[in-house]
Amino acid sequence: DAGVTQSPTHLIKTRGQQVTLRCSPKSGHDTVSWYQQALGQGPQFIFQYYEEEERQRGNFPDRFSGHQFPNYSSELNVNALLLGDSALYLCASSLAPQTHNEQFFGPGTRLTVL
Amino acid sequence: QQQVKQSPQSLIVQKGGIPIINCAYENTAFDYFPWYQQFPGKGPALLIAIRPDVSEKKEGRFTISFNKSAKQFSLHIMDSQPGDSATYFCAASRAGTALIFGKGTTLSVSS
Repeated sequence: DAGVTQSPTHLIKTRGQQVTLRCSPKSGHDTVSWYQQALGQGPQFIFQYYEEEERQRGNFPDRFSGHQFPNYSSELNVNALLLGDSALYLCASSLAPQTHNEQFFGPGTRLTVL
Repeated sequence: QQQVKQSPQSLIVQKGGIPIINCAYENTAFDYFPWYQQFPGKGPALLIAIRPDVSEKKEGRFTISFNKSAKQFSLHIMDSQPGDSATYFCAASRAGTALIFGKGTTLSVSS
């Protein structure tokens, strides 16, 4: 049973560029949440997708957007990259958001903005 | 506003010791309190979780103690091993909402 997978593993971009990160949820899960983890910090919630719609959003600017596909996989897009966007981006999957949140995390994508 | 406060920031114990990590929360609507373990270069892995209707939960060498009136919960690791050296995060949420994480505790278990 495959767990949560993310791609790519590492990514280097320059300021002002755009990036797309991808996530496939754990088998049987239909809800995907994205988190940003800065070095030495806990994960910070970006947004959650369920039934192909954004259901919740954390305190992140509109430069951060996402999408969920019919097979429940998801993308995170970040436009106009800033140096401060350098972080580990984590995807977590779970069952429908109405349930208690037992979330399973992927290995993350390490984004470096130069 | 930090809704989940975690302490200490770092912890060093000898093999066999019992490290204790503490968390305090503010939102009384939270009803789910998980602990995650993270190794360098990896995503957080769910260790154990508790709901506020019980005061203690044990899974293997890991125990959560929960004090609803004090709005605090803690993780105890019995008979700690060098392989337990990692960063530990507490979190909290209410049904249907995102996890709010503490800032993490880096644990080092010396042999």
